[in-house]
Amino acid sequence: QSVLTQPPSLSGAPGQRVTISCIGSGSNIGAGLDVHWFQQLPATAPKLLIYGNNNRPSGVPDRFSGSKSGVSASLAITGLQAEDEAVYYCHSYDTGVGGWIFGGGTKLTVL
Amino acid sequence: EVRLVESGGGLVQPGKSLRLSCEASGFAFSNYAMHWVRQTPGKGLEWVSGIKWDSGSVGYAISVKGRFTISRDNGRNFLYLQMTSLQPEDTALYYCAKTGYYDGGREYFDSWGQGTLVTVSS
Repeated sequence: QSVLTQPPSLSGAPGQRVTISCIGSGSNIGAGLDVHWFQQLPATAPKLLIYGNNNRPSGVPDRFSGSKSGVSASLAITGLQAEDEAVYYCHSYDTGVGGWIFGGGTKLTVL
Repeated sequence: EVRLVESGGGLVQPGKSLRLSCEASGFAFSNYAMHWVRQTPGKGLEWVSGIKWDSGSVGYAISVKGRFTISRDNGRNFLYLQMTSLQPEDTALYYCAKTGYYDGGREYFDSWGQGTLVTVSS
């Protein structure tokens, strides 16, 4: 069981907007620690999508955005495209375990 | 271009040891903290260990503490993970990841290698 809780799966039609939630606790997100997001396409390494809650690395489309409030964070994808079908992970640091933690991943299906 | 290439994975019996390597290129390796992250086949990601740029601070997941040792050679641009007393639950794809910095020193994992597969089985 992951310290950061994500929905196991989500789906959306092309062009739609979807939001992936990541719920933490007072020892990670709620403690003011930032959230980062990765996209993992089948048989590939994770790719950084968002760092520091809402910053996009160069090359990441502005269809992807992140936010954080309280003990949770969200990744929003607008204008859903077939190429967005992947597993998405949230990532942060936890002061309780004294190490980095990941969410369990959300498999996004584009209908 | 940042390039991270892991090696050293393979099939190993329970209780045995293995050393993973990660060769880094395309950036000033000695300036960045580095990490190992593993992924069980079909499952999610688990942080394994991390090391600061100067090896002055290291960290381990509870699941590997006391069995795994992380190290680095800044002269050769290599990151290592020495794994001992391996168990079937250590079976995973092991990635090395480079740290990026923002906002005056906050860290995130900005680049990943393609991984090396470790299988622990008799």
